[in-house]
Amino acid sequence: QQQVRQSSQSLTVWEGETAILNCSYENSAFDYFPWYQQFPGEGPALLIAIRSVSDKKEDGRFTIFFNKREKNLSLHIKDSQPGDSATYFCAASNSNNRIFFGDGTQLVVKP
Amino acid sequence: EAAVTQSPRSKVAVTGGKVTLSCHQTNNHDYMYWYRQDTGHGLRLIHYSYVADSTEKGDIPDGYKASRPSQENFSLILELASLSQTAVYFCASGRGEGNERLFFGHGTKLSVL
Repeated sequence: QQQVRQSSQSLTVWEGETAILNCSYENSAFDYFPWYQQFPGEGPALLIAIRSVSDKKEDGRFTIFFNKREKNLSLHIKDSQPGDSATYFCAASNSNNRIFFGDGTQLVVKP
Repeated sequence: EAAVTQSPRSKVAVTGGKVTLSCHQTNNHDYMYWYRQDTGHGLRLIHYSYVADSTEKGDIPDGYKASRPSQENFSLILELASLSQTAVYFCASGRGEGNERLFFGHGTKLSVL
């Protein structure tokens, strides 16, 4: 059973729009939810993360909205830029467990 | 900046041959991981290690061995490479707590022919 699911394998938006990437998880014990960003030919890198005690985490144009009751979260990329085109991995873990990754969402931002 | 270096960056291997992928970290992290990435499957954990001279199985360990001769170095070994092992392999390091940042290398693209 997949622990972390990302609802879209791919997403295309126009430059300036808000991209919304959705994620859900199985284990209610997860308490840490990072998003990793991966550009072609590179390894994933931490973009932004949220802990389950919060329902929102903002960092510049990137915001995580977290719903503990529904066991889902979303990454919003405001004013999307072509340079944001990448694959985004949702992940989940807790302090006693290793990290589980979703299958990733490939975002394309068209100019 | 924390660094994880993988070698080689790409490799072509023959079916049945032995392949060794190497990883070196300068983060002073106890934990190191090997992941496999296939299109549509995200990152799948093959092996990991939390101390030198010890390795643990991840979710998809079959067909792979791992070696951790020192804190800094972690290798992935394919004793008998198969076509199905064609993929991109990533090494990562971390402090070992679940809620922590992982640092990834640039990956090794392996093609088994």
